[in-house]
Amino acid sequence: KNQVEQSPQSLIILEGKNCTLQCNYTVSPFSNLRWYKQDTGRGPVSLTIMTFSENTKSNGRYTATLDADTKQSSLHITASQLSDSASYICVVTPGGSARQLTFGSGTQLTVLP
Amino acid sequence: DAMVIQNPRYQVTQFGKPVTLSCSQTLNHNVMYWYQQKSSQAPKLLFHYYDKDFNNEADTPDNFQSRRPNTSFCFLDIRSPGLGDAAMYLCATSRPRVPGLAALDWEQFFGPGTRLTVL
Repeated sequence: KNQVEQSPQSLIILEGKNCTLQCNYTVSPFSNLRWYKQDTGRGPVSLTIMTFSENTKSNGRYTATLDADTKQSSLHITASQLSDSASYICVVTPGGSARQLTFGSGTQLTVLP
Repeated sequence: DAMVIQNPRYQVTQFGKPVTLSCSQTLNHNVMYWYQQKSSQAPKLLFHYYDKDFNNEADTPDNFQSRRPNTSFCFLDIRSPGLGDAAMYLCATSRPRVPGLAALDWEQFFGPGTRLTVL
């Protein structure tokens, strides 16, 4: 069964600090991997998207990496801000039937002043 | 601005009383999805429409129905809501990342969600 597992489940950091969130997946074949940010009570918003041939993708203070061989991805947040407090969800699109996504359970990030 | 709109943002209903959630899009995307997301869980796909072609997930309860009268609108009908149906309901639309090519990379755009409370 295709799965996406994220760690840690929750994370608390101080404002200005960096952090890294992890995503491991077993989805195969693989088309692409996305990181979404979901604020409380809102829909997910796409941060980055990477195909299997891409190793890294940046969006401002967010940098995602992908190792398609080990099926691992990470999302690095630099110089965190209070507004970064949200759930970060790793989503993998299977190859072939690409209309359906496999979601991770998310990492709940809290940034404290 | 082109977007995915969900109404209402918050819906309160009574146990067993039918409720309809609405989604509209100005993106002219072929595919529309309905997800159910419970607290601290990943979104769970209920069904999706590819144009008028309806695709139900195998484990979606019969209590949940959907209608797509045109490209722009899609409705989620919950015929007899139970307490376990209280959740955030997310609508999403998608299109190929590279228009004109095979749909191997369907980027999904989510609406803000409707928070359903069942009393």
